[in-house]
Amino acid sequence: SAVISQKPSRDICQRGTSLTIQCQVDSQVTMMFWYRQQPGQSLTLIATANQGSEATYESGFVIDKFPISRPNLTFSTLTVSNMSPEDSSIYLCSVLDRSRSGANVLTFGAGSRLTVL
Amino acid sequence: AQSVTQPDIHITVSEGASLELRCNYSYGATPYLFWYVQSPGQGLQLLLKYFSGDTLVQGIKGFEAEFKRSQSSFNLRKPSVHWSDAAEYFCAVSTNFGNEKLTFGTGTRLTIIP
Repeated sequence: SAVISQKPSRDICQRGTSLTIQCQVDSQVTMMFWYRQQPGQSLTLIATANQGSEATYESGFVIDKFPISRPNLTFSTLTVSNMSPEDSSIYLCSVLDRSRSGANVLTFGAGSRLTVL
Repeated sequence: AQSVTQPDIHITVSEGASLELRCNYSYGATPYLFWYVQSPGQGLQLLLKYFSGDTLVQGIKGFEAEFKRSQSSFNLRKPSVHWSDAAEYFCAVSTNFGNEKLTFGTGTRLTIIP
């Protein structure tokens, strides 16, 4: 399966600042996804990062707050803009892997844990 | 829209004891079902999945899960837990073959006591 590297693994940020999270995959993938895991909560899909086109955002998430770049088939970034304490979460990058059955399975990176003071 | 319920927020079991984590889903047709594990400080690792066929699926680390359509359940089981199994477990459902969008349950935190 694909190996996903995320940077930073964790960071402590000040309110009002922005932070960019990087996601590097060891193989070319068509679709990359960004999820958020708030403290004590489950995972919620933020957006799908498409190479060569704008990201597709889920309900409740907007590009101004979470701009995404996808410059090539192995890399994507997620920026958390104008952060507030409510943005303290783990942000996870994921990609689709094709299983032996032929169906797709999501593979996740280790996540980036952000704490906003 | 589909939903996933994991009714147990936290479970504590003794090392060597058996384990069952519950998962119920809400969806009109047969979904694609997954169990992921998240160890402290780690990302999510796929334990097993159900797409079709045999309703008892085997996964990694000695885990298995059984899909029961009549109960809309996909419970995770392990006959004998190890201390290294302490982690957060997430059940997830997808309703399209592409599986690019998963709906996750809220997770069950597993604590192992000696």
